[in-house]
Amino acid sequence: LAKTTQPISMDSYEGQEVNITCSHNNIATNDYITWYQQFPSQGPRFIIQGYKTKVTNEVASLFIPADRKSSTLSLPRVSLSDTAVYYCLVGRGSARQLTFGSGTQLTVLP
Amino acid sequence: NAGVTQTPKFQVLKTGQSMTLQCAQDMNHEYMSWYRQDPGMGLRLIHYSVGAGITDQGEVPNGYNVSRSTTEDFPLRLLSAAPSQTSVYFCASSGVPNYGYTFGSGTRLTVV
Repeated sequence: LAKTTQPISMDSYEGQEVNITCSHNNIATNDYITWYQQFPSQGPRFIIQGYKTKVTNEVASLFIPADRKSSTLSLPRVSLSDTAVYYCLVGRGSARQLTFGSGTQLTVLP
Repeated sequence: NAGVTQTPKFQVLKTGQSMTLQCAQDMNHEYMSWYRQDPGMGLRLIHYSVGAGITDQGEVPNGYNVSRSTTEDFPLRLLSAAPSQTSVYFCASSGVPNYGYTFGSGTRLTVV
């Protein structure tokens, strides 16, 4: 299973762009990279998934370099409501291969 | 469209009691999973299913049983509750493996 490493916590201010980087040095060829967001007392919510290069949706962008050993979740112009824990997952196919680490606690300050 | 529904939301059990946590989804998803989340930690996979009649163990299966008799329902049974099973339990489902799991709102279980 690919192990992921993320910063434990990050602080930002409203209106700034936030980039959260995840390291996954032993990512396998068929592995996808998925990010989830979790608010207190709620289940995680799917944000974005990618395989290589760049993926963008209405919420975030995901940048994946050519070697795929890391990925960066980019949140444009964060607001207080973006304060949450963000999880980076690497895996494919079976749910058994999706491992939630401790995540990154993002705190957005006014 | 309710998504993933978990019941109950809160439960207190005495050590040794058994109970079933219910999970139902109305999205016709084949893939369903159960996770537990302890304070300050990420989610750990307990059991998962890739379709009706097919289940498998995750990272922390001991003390839990599952069955999947229908596509919609995936109940989690605690056989003999222990204080170490005090946690928040999340059920999730997906229509495509490894993509966009939808999570329920969780069941907060306390074993005393």
